[in-house]
Amino acid sequence: DTEVTQTPKHLVMGMTNKKSLKCEQHMGHRAMYWYKQKAKKPPELMFVYSYEKLSINESVPSRFSPECPNSSLLNLHLHALQPEDSALYLCASSQDQSYYGYTFGSGTRLTVV
Amino acid sequence: GQNIDQPTEMTATEGAIVQINCTYQTSGFNGLFWYQQHAGEAPTFLSYNVLDGLEEKGRFSSFLSRSKGYSYLLLKELQMKDSASYLCAVRDQEANTPLVFGKGTRLSVIA
Repeated sequence: DTEVTQTPKHLVMGMTNKKSLKCEQHMGHRAMYWYKQKAKKPPELMFVYSYEKLSINESVPSRFSPECPNSSLLNLHLHALQPEDSALYLCASSQDQSYYGYTFGSGTRLTVV
Repeated sequence: GQNIDQPTEMTATEGAIVQINCTYQTSGFNGLFWYQQHAGEAPTFLSYNVLDGLEEKGRFSSFLSRSKGYSYLLLKELQMKDSASYLCAVRDQEANTPLVFGKGTRLSVIA
């Protein structure tokens, strides 16, 4: 298995909803990442987990809450989002933080209404 | 901080060669990466340069000059499917620093 799987592929949520994005990989990678990408913009780093511990939080608002239950799974819990949070959320993994090859998932297209 | 600059858009003809440039200013350097991203899809890894020179991989080649803070991605024998965004990304001096992406170059290949 050489893939990063993200679910759901599309999500529409209201500003009062609570939802979660899921990311899974079975390549034995020990670093996992959440990136946010707006249209025609580059991916922007949100969080990094290394060996299931949060190692980087790029000053992301608390309405985004990451979780890494085990080495294969990464979640992003969403609560009280704003319409400007609508974006493509990309998960990526790498063998460890120093390994250059990131494998990206196909992303979750999030729309906040 | 980091500053990564690439042209916003480029157009090239099927069968031709195109060069996409990337300049960067970082406090340190530990590798430059090129990714391809089709609209609405995930970025896919194309190449990695950490030493000066040219890395060739099939129709794609990537060049790096660390002293000039400059890289280019060369695409040969362009095909329509090469129409995509090409993202330059840099890792600064610490090996465990995550990638920071440039704004990307949208390449359109026309017949």
